[in-house]
Amino acid sequence: AQTVTQSQPEMSVQEAETVTLSCTYDTSESDYYLFWYKQPPSRQMILVIRQEAYKQQNATENRFSVNFQKAAKSFSLKISDSQLGDAAMYFCAYQGGSEKLVFGKGTKLTVNP
Amino acid sequence: DTGVSQDPRHKITKRGQNVTFRCDPISEHNRLYWYRQTLGQGPEFLTYFQNEAQLEKSRLLSDRFSAERPKGSFSTLEIQRTEQGDSAMYLCASSPQGEGVQETQYFGPGTRLLVL
Repeated sequence: AQTVTQSQPEMSVQEAETVTLSCTYDTSESDYYLFWYKQPPSRQMILVIRQEAYKQQNATENRFSVNFQKAAKSFSLKISDSQLGDAAMYFCAYQGGSEKLVFGKGTKLTVNP
Repeated sequence: DTGVSQDPRHKITKRGQNVTFRCDPISEHNRLYWYRQTLGQGPEFLTYFQNEAQLEKSRLLSDRFSAERPKGSFSTLEIQRTEQGDSAMYLCASSPQGEGVQETQYFGPGTRLLVL
């Protein structure tokens, strides 16, 4: 079974600085997708960024970018120029041959003004 | 596109009671998913539908849980004889059916269940 591990339960960053959230996963599949979702307090989960495993180029979405290392099974999220609105729980998720998403336990990001 | 909606947003019930939650997906999304999220954990997959067909169920979905999507639009999740361990956030998500790619799942706000 696939597993997703987020080793940082909590992280903090100063406003305007850069922070990197870690995620590793375990799978025997060769074709899969990886996602970062953001869940603000008492608000719904929204997609931050996605990466197709067959693509070598790392995905970017404005201030958000990933470092996808397929051989190492690592998928970290970098947030540049952090803003107060970035404060949330961040979940890394895996989707392989099944339709289901497999989530990590999440990282709580605090942004300090 | 009004997003995924869920009703109710909060539910408090007593142990042993039955509860039913509703999810309305984004219109024209033919895939609908249910997840459960307990405190301090990421969401865990429960089941998913493609149109009205329930195609996959997790072992987490005990015989007290039943989900339906009778007309391929909204879905209901019923929990019979609730237990305190059922207390959690129940999340619904929907996605279109991709052409050879996995489409992104869009989540609703969730229904928070508290079983006393």
